[in-house]
Amino acid sequence: QKEVEQDPGPLSVPEGAIVSLNCTYSNSAFQYFMWYRQYSRKGPELLMYTYSSGNKEDGRFTAQVDKSSKYISLFIRDSQPSDSATYLCATSGQAGTALIFGKGTTLSVSS
Amino acid sequence: ETGVTQSPTHLIKTRGQQVTLRCSSQSGHNTVSWYQQALGQGPQFIFQYYREEENGRGNFPPRFSGLQFPNYSSELNVNALELDDSALYLCASSLQGANEQYFGPGTRLTVT
Repeated sequence: QKEVEQDPGPLSVPEGAIVSLNCTYSNSAFQYFMWYRQYSRKGPELLMYTYSSGNKEDGRFTAQVDKSSKYISLFIRDSQPSDSATYLCATSGQAGTALIFGKGTTLSVSS
Repeated sequence: ETGVTQSPTHLIKTRGQQVTLRCSSQSGHNTVSWYQQALGQGPQFIFQYYREEENGRGNFPPRFSGLQFPNYSSELNVNALELDDSALYLCASSLQGANEQYFGPGTRLTVT
């Protein structure tokens, strides 16, 4: 079993839709959770960072962590064509150490 | 504030050769991590450098080595290149102990 599982998609939605992206992880010691966005042929860009369980909101983006089920989610409201990218979830067990990534989910938002 | 930069952008090497990739960290960041991203996969941690010393290593063989310089910039060296080393190599900088890692654009290495 991989440490972080993420459905690669692709996921296609119309502009304005609410998008839900999800990951599961296996190690209960993980307590730091991040979402990165990666455009084609570019480096990942940090979108959201959360510690332990709970929700965090930033504009159209909401990150959610449920440690009891080892499930992390990213919600995108009012999706835009510019949101079309690959979304990577990442986690780590200790602050400042290696990030463990999922495979990424490719999202396409059509206008 | 200057972001993370990497050079070169693209590189083509032959199996068995050696390669050096370079990274300049974001202004104020003292820790550099390197990741390998194969096509269709998430980044995989290679190693991290802090205070010019290796500060953690992933599951990569010793032919992957690195350096960090006093100005916090870093190099990744790969010896005896194999076809499977073809990937996007990403450098990320951060403050020591901080979880937020900021990535550069990557170097795309092709081994033929």
